[in-house]
Amino acid sequence: DTAVSQTPKYLVTQMGNDKSIKCEQNLGHDTMYWYKQDSKKFLKIMFSYNNKELIINETVPNRFSPKSPDKAHLNLHINSLELGDSAVYFCASSQVINSPLHFGNGTRLTVT
Amino acid sequence: QKEVEQDPGPLSVPEGAIVSLNCTYSNSAFQYFMWYRQYSRKGPELLMYTYSSGNKEDGRFTAQVDKSSKYISLFIRDSQPSDSATYLCAMSAGGNMLTFGGGTRLMVKP
Repeated sequence: DTAVSQTPKYLVTQMGNDKSIKCEQNLGHDTMYWYKQDSKKFLKIMFSYNNKELIINETVPNRFSPKSPDKAHLNLHINSLELGDSAVYFCASSQVINSPLHFGNGTRLTVT
Repeated sequence: QKEVEQDPGPLSVPEGAIVSLNCTYSNSAFQYFMWYRQYSRKGPELLMYTYSSGNKEDGRFTAQVDKSSKYISLFIRDSQPSDSATYLCAMSAGGNMLTFGGGTRLMVKP
């Protein structure tokens, strides 16, 4: 009965590889997000989608590309991985604008 | 200077103590204020959600917002070892842009 689920939980890969993280929410929310949490615990928004449409795209390298096949799914594809991409990536959803976020349990990405 | 400042801690208290966690912010447009709790290796979970100034209470948790001082607080009464986690404040001016503090790590010792 997990509300926001993301896979994989852990991802270890080498520099230059391409990888994807998947996210699904079963809350019926309209808006989904990707956040990045660095080693100092700061959470920064990367992207926000509302009903499959991109509404927030923060200063993120073009190597990161989100895809929302439907409003319950938001995947993140990363090309040409770099060491600095190592972090925990959280997917989240919210019912409407200004409503609280519900987070998944994160994907811990390590680039070697 | 970051838009939202939060002491990283760790804050160590004995079981049963009253805990006070705080954030200061610089953007006077912030109107929506949240507190999230994050256990190790888990995602943040919402604890409290308030709009504008004032107090809100939920069980052992009380959230306070003082917009004139740009200061928000979370109080935990009768703290338990299970409260040991990182507490993140978050706020927004409206829309989908939440700005998070860096979190305060709390340890409640039995």
